[in-house]
Amino acid sequence: AQSVTQLDSQVPVFEEAPVELRCNYSSSVSVYLFWYVQYPNQGLQLLLKYLSGSTLVKGINGFEAEFNKSQTSFHLRKPSVHISDTAEYFCAVKSGSGGSNYKLTFGKGTLLTVNP
Amino acid sequence: GAVVSQHPSRVICKSGTSVKIECRSLDFQATTMFWYRQFPKQSLMLMATSNEGSKATYEQGVEKDKFLINHASLTLSTLTVTSAHPEDSSFYICSANPTSGFYNEQFFGPGTRLTVL
Repeated sequence: AQSVTQLDSQVPVFEEAPVELRCNYSSSVSVYLFWYVQYPNQGLQLLLKYLSGSTLVKGINGFEAEFNKSQTSFHLRKPSVHISDTAEYFCAVKSGSGGSNYKLTFGKGTLLTVNP
Repeated sequence: GAVVSQHPSRVICKSGTSVKIECRSLDFQATTMFWYRQFPKQSLMLMATSNEGSKATYEQGVEKDKFLINHASLTLSTLTVTSAHPEDSSFYICSANPTSGFYNEQFFGPGTRLTVL
């Protein structure tokens, strides 16, 4: 079984400050990792994903994440946040082989609030 | 590319009525679609996996007769909430898994807000 832990339910930061949203996963097999962002009353938008290769993954809106297999982590970072980054962020994991029929397991989410 | 739409975006209904929500992949074919439910300030809970041409697979604790899922084509899946009650009020989100190409990604619809009075 796979699981995802997002260690912080809320992260308040000031505009232009750096931010890190933490995500740890557990899985007994190889994993694919994702970060999604959800704005109020909207669906999920993919920020970035790790499938294989380089452990540092760059995504949209200036976000990046690093896959750390030994620490089973996939923390999301941005060097300088904007007010518009205020949203809920979800880390998700899918383990096993590829294929069209699989399930994502989501963390509980981290509410990032960027204050002026 | 890889756009998923949901209709309606918002629905208000009376207790006891049935509501149908459509999920469409607009520019790709999806053998598999997923239905999630999200309560306020909570994560997404997978309700069921919908496979084109076959019966949906429901997660433990999800009532099959309450939440009817039909995946009639490679671009359309529907979720019908039968005899809806106030406790069914929630945000329902679908996602679709492309048949080819980005088979390791799920693309999400914008969600449907259901309010049962």
